[in-house]
Amino acid sequence: GAGVSQTPSNKVTEKGKYVELRCDPISGHTALYWYRQSLGQGPEFLIYFQGTGAADDSGLPNDRFFAVRPEGSVSTLKIQRTERGDSAVYLCASSPFAHRGPGNEQFFGPGTRLTVL
Amino acid sequence: QKEVEQDPGPLSVPEGAIVSLNCTYSNSAFQYFMWYRQYSRKGPELLMYTYSSGNKEDGRFTAQVDKSSKYISLFIRDSQPSDSATYLCAMSASRGADGLTFGKGTHLIIQP
Repeated sequence: GAGVSQTPSNKVTEKGKYVELRCDPISGHTALYWYRQSLGQGPEFLIYFQGTGAADDSGLPNDRFFAVRPEGSVSTLKIQRTERGDSAVYLCASSPFAHRGPGNEQFFGPGTRLTVL
Repeated sequence: QKEVEQDPGPLSVPEGAIVSLNCTYSNSAFQYFMWYRQYSRKGPELLMYTYSSGNKEDGRFTAQVDKSSKYISLFIRDSQPSDSATYLCAMSASRGADGLTFGKGTHLIIQP
């Protein structure tokens, strides 16, 4: 079946602009996560949705970052007033989050490479 | 000190060798441990998922967890050039849906 998809694959923007990054999770997965991966680093957790609500947004670095998942499927990560330090690969993952079964297996998309000039 | 430490490498070994990749961690609450493989410009791909201490084997891959030492390992037997990638360890405290804490990743090169 289809995996997690993310669009666009690459985004170049100028400092101060607004950007939106989209994630389509695996069909039927109720949990959705956003991570940020800087060059030479592991992914860093940003926010997690269970259904439509943000269950944990403790990883968002500041109030310029916001994410929504209005219908419990597709999610959009929104970044206002972009800064050069926001340049990174933004990864989305989804999980079936079955109460029975192995647990928290997260499946990642290919990421959106954001470059802020 | 970061919560999860992982040597970034690069680690270069000849084809057919046994590879050992490791992570240490400081948060004793971590109970769920994962290894992901990431090829250049791709998303991480889940390889192994283990709970608490012990071993788990899947084909050429073996994951080990030693919670008493806060140390996890991934072994790759009969390594192939196609195994060349960055290997990320990840962990979480909760069985439920949680943000994962990742290591930096180890860049592995298998020489033909």
